[in-house]
Amino acid sequence: DAGITQSPRHKVTETGTPVTLRCHQTENHRYMYWYRQDPGHGLRLIHYSYGVKDTDKGEVSDGYSVSRSKTEDFLLTLESATSSQTSVYFCAISERGARTDTQYFGPGTRLTVL
Amino acid sequence: KQEVTQIPAALSVPEGENLVLNCSFTDSAIYNLQWFRQDPGKGLTSLLLIQSSQREQTSGRLNASLDKSSGRSTLYIAASQPGDSATYLCAVSGANSKLTFGKGITLSVRP
Repeated sequence: DAGITQSPRHKVTETGTPVTLRCHQTENHRYMYWYRQDPGHGLRLIHYSYGVKDTDKGEVSDGYSVSRSKTEDFLLTLESATSSQTSVYFCAISERGARTDTQYFGPGTRLTVL
Repeated sequence: KQEVTQIPAALSVPEGENLVLNCSFTDSAIYNLQWFRQDPGKGLTSLLLIQSSQREQTSGRLNASLDKSSGRSTLYIAASQPGDSATYLCAVSGANSKLTFGKGITLSVRP
């Protein structure tokens, strides 16, 4: 299994509070992704990174920000959590990007916003 | 905008049956198509990746085919086993170099 960890694995928070999810990899892969998975919508890309300090938006980026200060860590921040952000969040990594490579997924973080 | 469709959403078969899972996509300008497996409460595991120039890929009892011009892919599972029960997702990599996922097919293999 690819060395990807996500923390926390479960979190319950209240509307309006900030939340940061962490993805850590030990594979030294260049590309890192954040997805959310919701019933009826499948997996949707939130943000991705193609290198340290290089990030771009995905399909559902509103309300989320990301940072990547080191190759191994990719942080997803919900500045002010809302109930619509209740979801399962997956981090993924890829060595050469989606054009040529598969993606390896972390175990997920289940976030509940009350 | 690329759309990926997987029908049906769920499938139940008896053990030992050979089966085909279907995936269709609307924009044929893709770099590759990938099949993933997801077990309940887990992340996704890559099964097969087919580059746009390829027609099929095989791994053990799994065979995936790609017909880019018609926007279709199939995942063939031979001699299904209860351990194959999971959700199978297909995803395509398009011009934006991002993956677009289908909603998945939940497979149940009955002993």
